[in-house]
Amino acid sequence: EAGVVQSPRYKIIEKKQPVAFWCNPISGHNTLYWYRQNLGQGPELLIRYENEEAVDDSQLPKDRFSAERLKGVDSTLKIQPAELGDSAVYLCASSWGRNTEAFFGQGTRLTVV
Amino acid sequence: ILNVEQSPQSLHVQEGDSTNFTCSFPSSNFYALHWYRWETAKSPEALFVMTLNGDEKKKGRISATLNTKEGYSYLYIKGSQPEDSATYLCAFRRTDKLIFGTGTRLQVFP
Repeated sequence: EAGVVQSPRYKIIEKKQPVAFWCNPISGHNTLYWYRQNLGQGPELLIRYENEEAVDDSQLPKDRFSAERLKGVDSTLKIQPAELGDSAVYLCASSWGRNTEAFFGQGTRLTVV
Repeated sequence: ILNVEQSPQSLHVQEGDSTNFTCSFPSSNFYALHWYRWETAKSPEALFVMTLNGDEKKKGRISATLNTKEGYSYLYIKGSQPEDSATYLCAFRRTDKLIFGTGTRLQVFP
């Protein structure tokens, strides 16, 4: 069975440009998470979906970040415009339910220059 | 604010050495404690999910213990190998939230 798939793996953009990340969770997983890991820090939750509903987006910087999970499967995370401080690894994870083990993708390493 | 702390931040050991790391978390409203191994350029891989005070889990040369009353978990690696080199993350689950520590970066030298 395929794991969580993320793309792209790496992205370098200039500040003020938009960027989008894509995540395909494990088939059948209802819960999808987006995490951001800054250098030297642990992953921090940006948003959690239960099917297509965003149930926890309290940590998502809504002025520039947006996310969607159409049809409750794939998800995209967008930043517009990107800032230098957005450089980080963006991880997507999925699980059967909100309190079960989460499986992670390989992440997208974003560098904003 | 919920703090999950891991120590040490980094560790360099020789092949064959045994080692251990600590994860400290809030002892109230505990639901579960997760350990992940994250190798460079790969996905974080789940090692253990621990829910009961006194839990001990083992996977090959890696084992973990849990003390929910005092809020800590230990991860042990017996006879470290170069392929054990990775960042080891613990994550504390309280109801819906999974809160990660900053990780312990292990480097095993041949």
